[in-house]
Amino acid sequence: DTEVTQTPKHLVMGMTNKKSLKCEQHMGHRAMYWYKQKAKKPPELMFVYSYEKLSINESVPSRFSPECPNSSLLNLHLHALQPEDSALYLCASSQAERGPSYNEQFFGPGTRLTVL
Amino acid sequence: GQQVMQIPQYQHVQEGEDFTTYCNSSTTLSNIQWYKQRPGGHPVFLIQLVKSGEVKKQKRLTFQFGEAKKNSSLHITATQTTDVGTYFCAGQAGTYKYIFGTGTRLKVLA
Repeated sequence: DTEVTQTPKHLVMGMTNKKSLKCEQHMGHRAMYWYKQKAKKPPELMFVYSYEKLSINESVPSRFSPECPNSSLLNLHLHALQPEDSALYLCASSQAERGPSYNEQFFGPGTRLTVL
Repeated sequence: GQQVMQIPQYQHVQEGEDFTTYCNSSTTLSNIQWYKQRPGGHPVFLIQLVKSGEVKKQKRLTFQFGEAKKNSSLHITATQTTDVGTYFCAGQAGTYKYIFGTGTRLKVLA
């Protein structure tokens, strides 16, 4: 199984709502990532978890709150978002140990988020 | 901060023509990855280059890593309509941290 799944596919929320994005992989990867991608732009790294611990936070506003409950799951909790946060949110995973496929990232299909 | 630029931004080619995208980093890279993103899709890993001057081929795709490890290129020979998409390079900026290039959007006209 070389698939990363993300739910929901689409999400529309108001600025006062609280919602969560979910990501799951069963490849045994111990590094998981959240990226944000605006239209016609490259993915921008938001957070990285390695071995279920937060390794990287790219100065993301606190209205985005990541969580890694176990080695297969990654969540992104959203609260009080702004319209400019509308984007495609991509989850990815990779091996955490050095080896031939080290850091090859497998991306999920993304959640397209619209904030009204 | 570290920047990774790609040129051209867009390229339209006739099917059968060759295509090249160039990736330039403001700093030396330990390695570089290439991804392809189809319209409406997600990035898909193509290859990773690690050594200075490295050249790797995948069928019609040829990837190069510069001698100074600050630039890279992807060349597609005899493009097909299935090659349509945006090609991103991604340079390693730290453990688990990759900075994606600005991307080159390829359109192939049949």
